[in-house]
Amino acid sequence: GESVGLHLPTLSVQEGDNSIINCAYSNSASDYFIWYKQESGKGPQFIIDIRSNMDKRQGQRVTVLLNKTVKHLSLQIAATQPGDSAVYFCAERTQGGSEKLVFGKGTKLTVNP
Amino acid sequence: EAEVAQSPRYKITEKSQAVAFWCDPISGHATLYWYRQILGQGPELLVQFQDESVVDDSQLPKDRFSAERLKGVDSTLKIQPAELGDSAMYLCASSSEPTTLKNIQYFGAGTRLSVL
Repeated sequence: GESVGLHLPTLSVQEGDNSIINCAYSNSASDYFIWYKQESGKGPQFIIDIRSNMDKRQGQRVTVLLNKTVKHLSLQIAATQPGDSAVYFCAERTQGGSEKLVFGKGTKLTVNP
Repeated sequence: EAEVAQSPRYKITEKSQAVAFWCDPISGHATLYWYRQILGQGPELLVQFQDESVVDDSQLPKDRFSAERLKGVDSTLKIQPAELGDSAMYLCASSSEPTTLKNIQYFGAGTRLSVL
């Protein structure tokens, strides 16, 4: 069935370092993936998305990589800042089904000054 | 910047009581979602509306939960009676017409429910 999970529940980095947050998915029929950032007490905030016909997509300080061979998704944050501290979720949508997004459990990123 | 509005932000209730949450999506967004998020986990879809119609409520516990979007704009999610296990964050999200290419959902700040 559909399943989205994360390799690491927590990640701690130094300010200015690059961060890499990983996500494994199990449904090879998923055609669309999206990353969200959730700060404490707030709703998830859209970061970046990628379609399954792409391997890489870049935004402002963020890059998403998709490896369909091993069903792996990653979010790279360049020059991590204290304001990046949050929980990051990946979500997938399965082709041919409803437009439902299935979310993983999240990775908590802590940026140390 | 347009936002999804939710109220109340916090709700404390006793078990067996009724509670209701309200959501106003981003103007023009036809699709509205209600999610439940248990602490430490990702959001789980409860119900999805397209305009005023329910398109997916397969994960909605229909014996106690109900949702409506009568005019295809704002929406209400109700729980009656509330149980201890219903304590969670209830998130509302909206999107413009989902396409085969994208489905960016924009979330509100949520309602934190505590059932005592």
